[in-house]
Amino acid sequence: DTGVSQDPRHKITKRGQNVTFRCDPISEHNRLYWYRQTLGQGPEFLTYFQNEAQLEKSRLLSDRFSAERPKGSFSTLEIQRTEQGDSAMYLCASSLVGLAGNEQFFGPGTRLTVL
Amino acid sequence: QKEVEQDPGPLSVPEGAIVSLNCTYSNSAFQYFMWYRQYSRKGPELLMYTYSSGNKEDGRFTAQVDKSSKYISLFIRDSQPSDSATYLCAMSALIGELTFGTGTQLKVEL
Repeated sequence: DTGVSQDPRHKITKRGQNVTFRCDPISEHNRLYWYRQTLGQGPEFLTYFQNEAQLEKSRLLSDRFSAERPKGSFSTLEIQRTEQGDSAMYLCASSLVGLAGNEQFFGPGTRLTVL
Repeated sequence: QKEVEQDPGPLSVPEGAIVSLNCTYSNSAFQYFMWYRQYSRKGPELLMYTYSSGNKEDGRFTAQVDKSSKYISLFIRDSQPSDSATYLCAMSALIGELTFGTGTQLKVEL
């Protein structure tokens, strides 16, 4: 399967702990996006990368959230000092700029539960 | 008021019906329009993609964009129980972040 993959699929943690999620985009895609989705809502944009450059990070929800894409391939999203309000589905998407406009392909998501 | 409005449903139809799903938006700069299907606890799956105004057809699915009215639609013909899911509209002004509607929950009943 050559789609977007995310790991882990589910994460349960206690309030105050740090968590890190990984996203592997479609191999030839140069853009990678992170979104958050809460119950009954559409995905909400957090940040994105083009290759290894993070081009937008002002929409990360707080300074507890950070993302990296060190070699322009996979990306990680870290949440420090988790809070119960961080419980949500975290989605990663990738696209190929310059080929087909703005088609973004999503992974299966990581469901975070903060106790 | 949200930039993208979408009726959350739920919408229940009999098998074989034509389904009409709609979104309205307020940002006149939006020019890329997408429809995603999302099954429970799964990631969104891209169904249709349209640039600017017009219609696009793919099998049982037709997407329409009316930029003058700031209104987009997705039609599903001959609906099947497997079409039961949440349908999300998404749009953007530039190649970049998407703005989503809240999603419409569809149930196709036998």
